[in-house]
Amino acid sequence: EAGVAQSPRYKIIEKRQSVAFWCNPISGHATLYWYQQILGQGPKLLIQFQNNGVVDDSQLPKDRFSAERLKGVDSTLKIQPAKLEDSAVYLCASSTWVHEQFFGPGTRLTVL
Amino acid sequence: ILNVEQSPQSLHVQEGDSTNFTCSFPSSNFYALHWYRWETAKSPEALFVMTLNGDEKKKGRISATLNTKEGYSYLYIKGSQPEDSATYLCASSGGGADGLTFGKGTHLIIQP
Repeated sequence: EAGVAQSPRYKIIEKRQSVAFWCNPISGHATLYWYQQILGQGPKLLIQFQNNGVVDDSQLPKDRFSAERLKGVDSTLKIQPAKLEDSAVYLCASSTWVHEQFFGPGTRLTVL
Repeated sequence: ILNVEQSPQSLHVQEGDSTNFTCSFPSSNFYALHWYRWETAKSPEALFVMTLNGDEKKKGRISATLNTKEGYSYLYIKGSQPEDSATYLCASSGGGADGLTFGKGTHLIIQP
């Protein structure tokens, strides 16, 4: 069974630039999550999708972050414009209903 | 929002020794406790998902216990090997498909 795929693996941008991350979940997993892990902290949930609907985006900084889940499968997370404090690893995870979450390898973002 | 605490923050252990670390979480509104192992540049790997008070799970040399009444879980590694070096994350959820609230992790280094 193929795991959760994410791209790119690494990204370096200047502050105020835009960036997008892509996630392809495990086939058949209805629930998709985006987490942000800042150095020295645990991963923090940014947004949760159930199929293509948003379940929880209470911790998403909506003035600069946006996310969508195309046709209930792939998802993109965008930051526009980026700030220095957005430097982090962005993790995507997927799960079936009421089950463990499977994580991708993450995208490491550095904002200069 | 649930607060999950892990201790110690980092740990150096001699190869062959056994070790353990702690995860504490609010016992109210608790559904499940998750343990993950995260090696650098790889995907976080699920170790255990536990829901019941008194639960004990084992996977090879690694085992975990859960006390939901007092809000803590222990992870044990018996006979540490270099490949056990990783960050161990615990996370709590308030519902089956809810997003996870993570602790900051315990960074384990096994010294040959």
